[in-house]
Amino acid sequence: EAGVAQSPRYKIIEKRQSVAFWCNPISGHATLYWYQQILGQGPKLLIQFQNNGVVDDSQLPKDRFSAERLKGVDSTLKIQPAKLEDSAVYLCASSPSLGGQETQYFGPGTRLLVL
Amino acid sequence: DAKTTQPTSMDCAEGRAANLPCNHSTISGNEYVYWYRQIHSQGPQYIIHGLKNNETNEMASLIITEDRKSSTLILPHATLRDTAVYYCIVSFAGQNFVFGPGTRLSVLP
Repeated sequence: EAGVAQSPRYKIIEKRQSVAFWCNPISGHATLYWYQQILGQGPKLLIQFQNNGVVDDSQLPKDRFSAERLKGVDSTLKIQPAKLEDSAVYLCASSPSLGGQETQYFGPGTRLLVL
Repeated sequence: DAKTTQPTSMDCAEGRAANLPCNHSTISGNEYVYWYRQIHSQGPQYIIHGLKNNETNEMASLIITEDRKSSTLILPHATLRDTAVYYCIVSFAGQNFVFGPGTRLSVLP
């Protein structure tokens, strides 16, 4: 079974530029998550989708971050404009949402450096 | 804020058991304890989860105290590849994960 795919793996941009990350979850997984992980810290949830609807985006900085999952499969996370403090690893995870206890499966992440 | 507290770092000799503790004194009755680990430059990897009974799988064992206020992850025979940051998370239904800084386990040859 293929895992969660993310691209690109690395990205370097200058502040005030825009950037987008892509995630393809495990086939059949209804729930998709985006996390931000700053160096030395644990991942922090940014947004959670159930199919193509947003379940929780309370920690998403909506003035500069946006995310979509139009067809309930792939998802993109965009930052516009980027700030220095956005330098982090952006992790995508998915879970099957079969009911009961879920297990989240994480992708390898996209490492963003904002100069 | 994370609902768990873990030691910042631990060392373990290769081939010995690694016992990683976690305190979760405010855990609710319907919250599970999850363990993940993150090897350098990779995404977090699921290890095991449990409610109140001890659990074992091919990777590890999870021992939860009777009052559920703490737990211990046991890697029975640690190898160098087990060097990673280990996260203990409490969660209802496997959602709303709040990660703390975790425990950095170093397995020494």
